[in-house]
Amino acid sequence: QVQLQESGPGLVKPSETLSLTCTVSGASISNYHWSWIRQPPGKGLEWIGYLFYSGSTNYNPSLKSRATLSVDTSKNQISLSLTSVTAADTAVYYCARDLVVGVGCWFDPWGQGILVTVSS
Amino acid sequence: SSELTQDPAVSVALGQTVRITCQGDSLRNYYASWYQQKPGQAPVLVVYGKNNRPSGIPDRFSGSSSGNTASLTIAGTQAEDEADYYCHSRDSSGNQRVFGTGTKVTVL
Repeated sequence: QVQLQESGPGLVKPSETLSLTCTVSGASISNYHWSWIRQPPGKGLEWIGYLFYSGSTNYNPSLKSRATLSVDTSKNQISLSLTSVTAADTAVYYCARDLVVGVGCWFDPWGQGILVTVSS
Repeated sequence: SSELTQDPAVSVALGQTVRITCQGDSLRNYYASWYQQKPGQAPVLVVYGKNNRPSGIPDRFSGSSSGNTASLTIAGTQAEDEADYYCHSRDSSGNQRVFGTGTKVTVL
């Protein structure tokens, strides 16, 4: 079955760039959208953005252009870069396959998530 | 509007039925999907599309929609259904994704 695994540093300093990778196994990243989602401790889910395997992207405007998604088809990986981080960016970050059919959309499956703490 | 609103918390007696609602303008045009999240775990898809369940999700979970409101119903609620539930859909433009505010379900 399709499995996703997030990886990257668990601690990032304020004002620096958060960089995470999502490795997909059990399926090719081609022909699908892939999203990053985050969840601050004790809070709800926030969609960060999605990427199509061809490289086209769409982002949550609330992140004010700090987020960039990219794809490496040779490694079957999707990456997230978030610049100028603050403590408010501390969260568990998830990647998920983003499925769209007609007027429906859903995320399945999800990675297990990775906690990233922003602190000096 | 790009917001999806859910009641913060609901409680249900073991074996009874609970309905969780999600309101938002975009739901007039797009289906919602629903996720169950237990403490310390990643969300799990339980209902998507008009009323579809992924493999392995019990048939006590069902979805429906009317106007600007989508609903997730759990019939014959079990103790293991105690969790946070989030709805998700597109925003009114259709280009963005948006999550509901989440509902904590407590099984009494």
